[in-house]
Amino acid sequence: DIQLTQSPSFLSASVGDRVTITCRASQGIRNYLAWYQQKPGKAPKLLIYAASSLQSGVPSRFSGSGSGTEFTLTISSLQPEDFATYYCQQLHSYSITFGQGTRLEIK
Amino acid sequence: QVQLVESGGGVVQPGGSLRLSCAASGFTFSTHGMHWVRQASGKGLEWLTCIRYDDTNIHYADSVKGRFTISRDNSKNTLYLQMNNLRLEDTAVYYCARDRSPMVTWSDYFDSWGQGTLVTVSS
Repeated sequence: DIQLTQSPSFLSASVGDRVTITCRASQGIRNYLAWYQQKPGKAPKLLIYAASSLQSGVPSRFSGSGSGTEFTLTISSLQPEDFATYYCQQLHSYSITFGQGTRLEIK
Repeated sequence: QVQLVESGGGVVQPGGSLRLSCAASGFTFSTHGMHWVRQASGKGLEWLTCIRYDDTNIHYADSVKGRFTISRDNSKNTLYLQMNNLRLEDTAVYYCARDRSPMVTWSDYFDSWGQGTLVTVSS
């Protein structure tokens, strides 16, 4: 199976900050990567798909980039509602995997 | 609007069985691939299985292969997960999720999720 490793696992930031989360794949996955946001007690929400495409309805402060084995999710200016856990996900192989998650908390 | 509602969770003893359902509405169920994903308390997301929109292609994670069976009834707009030989480590919230695009050959990203149903395996 393809392993996804997110860094950092925990991030403390302030409203208005620019933050970047990285997801590294154990082998090349082209651009078959998505980012999800999950808040406590809620289902995950799709933010970015195909590495850099913004899902409909998601604010433009979210952006994704990367290809192959290294990907990033950037939030350009953190808003109070962005404090959550973020997961990357790969679809390249016939066994879908998620990263371990990055918990983003208010400083 | 798209709605996915899971049901069937509960408490079961190790070695027992449970069948989860996911009732879909607000879209043409028969054109979208579907997935089951679980999340143990305080842990990350684990993809379990998927079924193509036309029921012709099914894949499983190694952790559930041979124990869990995914199926769908397009006439009832319902997805199922039959879970047999349950283990303590199967305790989790189970989510169903939908492929973002219709009629995808393998899998697409998950644009809609249910609220989840809790399965507790305990003696």
